[in-house]
Amino acid sequence: NAGVTQTPKFQVLKTGQSMTLQCAQDMNHEYMSWYRQDPGMGLRLIHYSVGAGITDQGEVPNGYNVSRSTTEDFPLRLLSAAPSQTSVYFCASSSQGVHEQFFGPGTRLTVL
Amino acid sequence: GEDVEQSLFLSVREGDSSVINCTYTDSSSTYLYWYKQEPGAGLQLLTYIFSNMDMKQDQRLTVLLNKKDKHLSLRIADTQTGDSAIYFCAESSGGYQKVTFGTGTKLQVIP
Repeated sequence: NAGVTQTPKFQVLKTGQSMTLQCAQDMNHEYMSWYRQDPGMGLRLIHYSVGAGITDQGEVPNGYNVSRSTTEDFPLRLLSAAPSQTSVYFCASSSQGVHEQFFGPGTRLTVL
Repeated sequence: GEDVEQSLFLSVREGDSSVINCTYTDSSSTYLYWYKQEPGAGLQLLTYIFSNMDMKQDQRLTVLLNKKDKHLSLRIADTQTGDSAIYFCAESSGGYQKVTFGTGTKLQVIP
């Protein structure tokens, strides 16, 4: 099993550009989440999904869109990048009834 | 909303015990977690404890929970250089997609 994979590892965008951060898991997990990690602020939940076709907002959803068309994939879209979105983004997945969330290696995004 | 607080930094000598502390505000917290993040990597679950427990031990790790004071601690015995990482405390009131993470404590182990 590859676990949770994220691409790209690093990305630099200009203000106003759009892009999609990819996340995939091969563990057949129902639950998937996107977090952002900022210095001194821990991890904050952006969006999450409890299954294919079902998504919901987390703590900091503004400026981000998600969709879940398959169990495996959960892409995060930045519609119009802003410098405030400079962060490290983590995707995580977990299985119903199991407490452990499995995290991907992260994507480091810089918006100039 | 829920809040989870940790000190940002801890430095210990190799072989000593490390104690990382965490406080939380949500009185309905049911599960409390400790995650470890090594440099350049994602988080990895170390251990978790149910709110009806006071203590949980797993090899070199001891978790203590004081529910009255909403205080959680992680003790690492015989700390090694490989334990150098950021440790996150987290809590959930049951819906584990609604996990609230602390700011993380960076543990530095001095050889």
